[in-house]
Amino acid sequence: DAKTTQPTSMDCAEGRAANLPCNHSTISGNEYVYWYRQIHSQGPQYIIHGLKNNETNEMASLIITEDRKSSTLILPHATLRDTAVYYCIVRGETSGSRLTFGEGTQLTVNP
Amino acid sequence: GAVVSQHPSWVICKSGTSVKIECRSLDFQATTMFWYRQFPKQSLMLMATSNEGSKATYEQGVEKDKFLINHASLTLSTLTVTSAHPEDSSFYICSARAASGSGTQYFGPGTRLTVL
Repeated sequence: DAKTTQPTSMDCAEGRAANLPCNHSTISGNEYVYWYRQIHSQGPQYIIHGLKNNETNEMASLIITEDRKSSTLILPHATLRDTAVYYCIVRGETSGSRLTFGEGTQLTVNP
Repeated sequence: GAVVSQHPSWVICKSGTSVKIECRSLDFQATTMFWYRQFPKQSLMLMATSNEGSKATYEQGVEKDKFLINHASLTLSTLTVTSAHPEDSSFYICSARAASGSGTQYFGPGTRLTVL
């Protein structure tokens, strides 16, 4: 699976949009981009995933560049409860594929 | 939907004893389950992958005789830490992937193991 690069930390003001970038320049054609987050001392929570089209659900939006080498997770109106480590992971869809976690981005939402 | 539970949520045991952790997919069938370990201030590290009815595949450096994994049904996997030592103290997290659909992995809430 392709490697991803994310900033170590980011800050965001409560109520504003949080835009979390991720680089995955070695992604291959059949690999998906997944986003999870982990609030302290809890298991990771699935947020969203996509292949090449932009995706939106009740939690967030995922914008994938046309060349698929990078993506941005957008939390439209960040709240204090969105403070967490956000992981961007690239994974194929074969039966043997699994999620490999990097260091992620620590997002801190400030009041 | 897509809820994964773990039991217990925390456990304290004496060195040399064995501890069993259960992972259940509550509202879906999981052909594949994964076990991760997370030490303080570190990311999750995959320990092993198990498919229902077959032997688990362990990551390099993970002792299969120490971390016994059983995936007896499509909704239950267990991890047994045998002869636990203080260095096994960690946060253990399971994950399950549905047999159908997108194949998204869902995670349990984790089990905090402390070995005295």
